[in-house]
Amino acid sequence: SQELEQSPQSLIVQEGKNLTINCTSSKTLYGLYWYKQKYGEGLIFLMMLQKGGEEKSHEKITAKLDEKKQQSSLHITASQPSHAGIYLCGADILRSARQLTFGSGTQLTVLP
Amino acid sequence: KAGVTQTPRYLIKTRGQQVTLSCSPISGHRSVSWYQQTPGQGLQFLFEYFSETQRNKGNFPGRFSGRQFSNSRSEMNVSTLELGDSALYLCASSFSGSLAGELFFGEGSRLTVL
Repeated sequence: SQELEQSPQSLIVQEGKNLTINCTSSKTLYGLYWYKQKYGEGLIFLMMLQKGGEEKSHEKITAKLDEKKQQSSLHITASQPSHAGIYLCGADILRSARQLTFGSGTQLTVLP
Repeated sequence: KAGVTQTPRYLIKTRGQQVTLSCSPISGHRSVSWYQQTPGQGLQFLFEYFSETQRNKGNFPGRFSGRQFSNSRSEMNVSTLELGDSALYLCASSFSGSLAGELFFGEGSRLTVL
C-alpha cells in the first residue's frame, strides 16, 4: 500500500547484528500493528502500538510509535536466524474497527 | 487456548467455479475479518464481521462475500473464480472489534485457480 511505506524492502544481516525496520504512514495513525510472517503462512502478532511515544518490547524486539512523524520503527537486537521472515506493519488509518492497511513487508534474512 | 483456525489450508479450483473458506476465531472473539494476500497487491482487506453483521467492506467485487454465524465462525465465498483470485486468504479475529484490540491471524487458506 502506498499509504503505508515500509523500508527497507529486504535486509540481510549477520547473526548477532542489530537492525531496524521502518513503517511510515501518509495518513494519521490510529493504531499500528507489527506482524511476522513465514513465507506462505499466517501472520504472527508481535506488537500493537496506539499512543504517540509508546514503546513495547518482546524478547529482543522493540517497537516504537512516533505519532508526530506518523512513523513506527521495529528494532531487533542481536539478531538470530529465528528472526528471519517477513515483517509487516499494519495500520488503522481509517479509524475503522478491524480494517487495517498493510505495508508491503520487509524480508529479513539472518546469516548464521 | 486454540488460535484462529482456517480450513481448508490448500485448495485448487478451476475458473468459473466457486469456493467457500471457513474461519473459526479464537474462543470469545466476536470480530472476524478477512484479507487477501497476493505477491502483487500485498495484504488487502476484504470485509469484517461482528455479531453476525458485516461492518466494513473493502474494495472487492461482489463475487466476494461472507457471513458470520451466531458462534462467531465465519465463511467467505468467492463465486465465478478468476485466475487473479489465486491468493492466500487470511482470517483474523479480535475480542471486540474495537480500535483498541489485538488482532490475531490464522494460517490462511491457499487458493489456486487454474
